[in-house]
Amino acid sequence: GESVGLHLPTLSVQEGDNSIINCAYSNSASDYFIWYKQESGKGPQFIIDIRSNMDKRQGQRVTVLLNKTVKHLSLQIAATQPGDSAVYFCAENIPGTYKYIFGTGTRLKVLA
Amino acid sequence: KAGVTQTPRYLIKTRGQQVTLSCSPISGHRSVSWYQQTPGQGLQFLFEYFSETQRNKGNFPGRFSGRQFSNSRSEMNVSTLELGDSALYLCASRDQGRMDGYTFGSGTRLTVV
Repeated sequence: GESVGLHLPTLSVQEGDNSIINCAYSNSASDYFIWYKQESGKGPQFIIDIRSNMDKRQGQRVTVLLNKTVKHLSLQIAATQPGDSAVYFCAENIPGTYKYIFGTGTRLKVLA
Repeated sequence: KAGVTQTPRYLIKTRGQQVTLSCSPISGHRSVSWYQQTPGQGLQFLFEYFSETQRNKGNFPGRFSGRQFSNSRSEMNVSTLELGDSALYLCASRDQGRMDGYTFGSGTRLTVV
């Protein structure tokens, strides 16, 4: 498949363990954030989002935490499965625009 | 409903040529954005179109251009191709009425030789 990124930080976790992927965002005024998952040969896929008036949001097996003080986002995946292997990106919406800035991405490898 | 469709999936061009990539958004989505994805730079915003008008533009040279048609389909064009233009070009559409993320297509892999 196509390589999304050859020099991405990689997180390796055992199947069944929890994963935590971190992201530092750039603009303290950003008011909306999204996590995307990109599998080889595919475009990024929406996982979960969070607005700046929240500090935590939960989905199915995923939780996003937002720390505005240090401009940090994290994505927690519970009971990581082989199908979770992918590159994960955070994205921040620039206020007043329709533009998103994406983080560099983290490759998640799930070990059987 | 059908997702975002990008054509072609793969393209090989020679330096100096020009190329046109096509994107059909999700039905009802009038906002279409284009991103360039490379291993070294990650996802870089190219431009965004809404109702046939460019609303935002990223920091790319004028060789990169785009347009949107009345049916919301979009094309992007790169003229005078350079080796560094080799990348995955991703199109994304969104529902203007929602503060929501994009739905991405699978991209067009452009290789410039």
